[in-house]
Amino acid sequence: QQQVKQSPQSLIVQKGGISIINCAYENTAFDYFPWYQQFPGKGPALLIAIRPDVSEKKEGRFTISFNKSAKQFSLHIMDSQPGDSATYFCAASREGGTSYGKLTFGQGTILTVHP
Amino acid sequence: KAGVTQTPRYLIKTRGQQVTLSCSPISGHRSVSWYQQTPGQGLQFLFEYFSETQRNKGNFPGRFSGRQFSNSRSEMNVSTLELGDSALYLCASRDDGQGQTTTNEKLFFGSGTQLSVL
Repeated sequence: QQQVKQSPQSLIVQKGGISIINCAYENTAFDYFPWYQQFPGKGPALLIAIRPDVSEKKEGRFTISFNKSAKQFSLHIMDSQPGDSATYFCAASREGGTSYGKLTFGQGTILTVHP
Repeated sequence: KAGVTQTPRYLIKTRGQQVTLSCSPISGHRSVSWYQQTPGQGLQFLFEYFSETQRNKGNFPGRFSGRQFSNSRSEMNVSTLELGDSALYLCASRDDGQGQTTTNEKLFFGSGTQLSVL
């Protein structure tokens, strides 16, 4: 049972454009929602994360929007740059020190930003 | 601080063999999690160790096992390898501060061990 569904599988945008990646979850016990960025040959790196007590969180060009009632959250990359070309994963976990190590990941989105 | 270190970087084994992968967490991090990454299944949680005890376990067969040492270094073992075990195995460490709330949810991943089973 896939508990976190991510779309699209791949995304191509022009430099300066907005990249939007969407995720939906099923388990209402999830309480922590991070996004990870992965470059070829590297492990995933935490980009930004949100908890359901806020509807939006922004860090630089990256914004998470969260809709608790719809059980959906999305990543927006403003002013996309070629250096943002990577695979992006949404994830979810239950809150609490004993749960943060166990993430459920979406399938990933391969983002390509053309110069 | 040095990041999460995984060794070896690449490994080639044949079916039926067993393999041991190693992970050194960031200094001071006591929680270590293991994930399997494949093109078809994506990133899947294997298990998590904290203070030498397995704290969480994913849905993998018993051929997959792990352990953690007193210095927080961790190993995972796969016995009786199958072709489907070919994957990138990722280790992640976390500062489970047992009461600290600022950073203890953040997972820091290593670059992984690429295992090929022939």
